[in-house]
Amino acid sequence: EVQLAESGGGLVKPGGSLRLSCRVSGFTFDSYTMNWVRQAPGEGLEWISSISGTGTYKSYAGSVKGRFTISRDNARNSVYLQMNSLRAEDRAVYYCARGVIDYWGQGTLVTVSS
Amino acid sequence: DIQMTQSPSSLSASVGDRVTITCRASQGIRDDLGWYQHKPGKAPERLIYAASNLQSGVPSRFSGSGSGTEFTLTISSLQPEDFATYYCLQHNSYPWTFGQGTKVEIK
Repeated sequence: EVQLAESGGGLVKPGGSLRLSCRVSGFTFDSYTMNWVRQAPGEGLEWISSISGTGTYKSYAGSVKGRFTISRDNARNSVYLQMNSLRAEDRAVYYCARGVIDYWGQGTLVTVSS
Repeated sequence: DIQMTQSPSSLSASVGDRVTITCRASQGIRDDLGWYQHKPGKAPERLIYAASNLQSGVPSRFSGSGSGTEFTLTISSLQPEDFATYYCLQHNSYPWTFGQGTKVEIK
């Protein structure tokens, strides 16, 4: 069974940093691109980043480029999102998702507030 | 960037109704499109992949069509569990983009 589990969300002050993790199981992790998608309160879904199976290729949405960094550790079946210079508008539920987004985790809430 | 224009943004329908949601891409994306259902507090669920292929385990009342720039999600007979928000997603080129969503409500 494919499973994805995010962790690391919480409350952080504007300008602060947070690192999200997503641990997966049930599939050959290094064969898949992995993604982060978020949903701000009352808003729609927003794709924010992808990383290829080997970690060589990374892409970012313009809203997070230069502030967020995606990475992965294939030995640990995990993908990460390092979020720096956080803003109030980064407040959202953050989901990790597999491949061309066929499976999703349950999400982790990030709140940015002073 | 490819823009995905989804319509309508919301609709009211009754159980048993046929419902159609449309996504238009700002440039051709072949069939690199998925449809998702999202209920509050839950992870989104993919219904359709490659524009017209039904995800395993998804009821056959859901169907997708289209290619290039025009795509449609159809629910042939709306059921109580289908009241949710629906999104399209293009994964043809980065940045991947979702449509704005369609909230399907009970009439």
